[in-house]
Amino acid sequence: DAGVIQSPRHEVTEMGQEVTLRCKPISGHNSLFWYRQTMMRGLELLIYFNNNVPIDDSGMPEDRFSAKMPNASFSTLKIQPSEPRDSAVYFCASTWGTDTQYFGPGTRLTVL
Amino acid sequence: EDQVTQSPEALRLQEGESSSLNCSYTVSGLRGLFWYRQDPGKGPEFLFTLYSAGEEKEKERLKATLTKKESFLHITAPKPEDSATYLCAVQAVQDTGKLIFGQGTTLQVKP
Repeated sequence: DAGVIQSPRHEVTEMGQEVTLRCKPISGHNSLFWYRQTMMRGLELLIYFNNNVPIDDSGMPEDRFSAKMPNASFSTLKIQPSEPRDSAVYFCASTWGTDTQYFGPGTRLTVL
Repeated sequence: EDQVTQSPEALRLQEGESSSLNCSYTVSGLRGLFWYRQDPGKGPEFLFTLYSAGEEKEKERLKATLTKKESFLHITAPKPEDSATYLCAVQAVQDTGKLIFGQGTTLQVKP
């Protein structure tokens, strides 16, 4: 059974460029979460969707960040323009309802 | 404000040397407390969920316990393959969509 799938696994870009991270949740799950992990701040929730609808985006750091979930099997997190302080590992997780969240392998983003 | 604090930040053990990791939490109403394991370069892997004080769960050499203020992850006779970062997270009754994570405890078990 496939777990959460994220792409790309690694992304290196230059400051000012647009970055798009992708996530495919586990089939049948109806909640999807985007997290960011850094050494300084640990694992922090950016935004989560329930039934494709954004429920809480209070963790999105600023307007440069946006997330969409056009259907139950796909979500994107976009950063435009990117900045060096956005360098982190971004995780996607999914679940059914409010049950245990299952995490993907993450995307390591480096902004030069 | 809901908060999770894990201690110690890092722990080094010899193979076979049992110990415990602590997770202290402050939450307006606890729906669940979660333990995850994270290996370098990978996503967090689910271990346990605890819902009420007094509850205990076990898996191989790991045992998680819960009180009204904290949770412990007991590691009995650890092996080098238990080396990882262990993350604790709480889920509040009022906002069951969110997990609030602690900073984690990095465990190293030496042979």
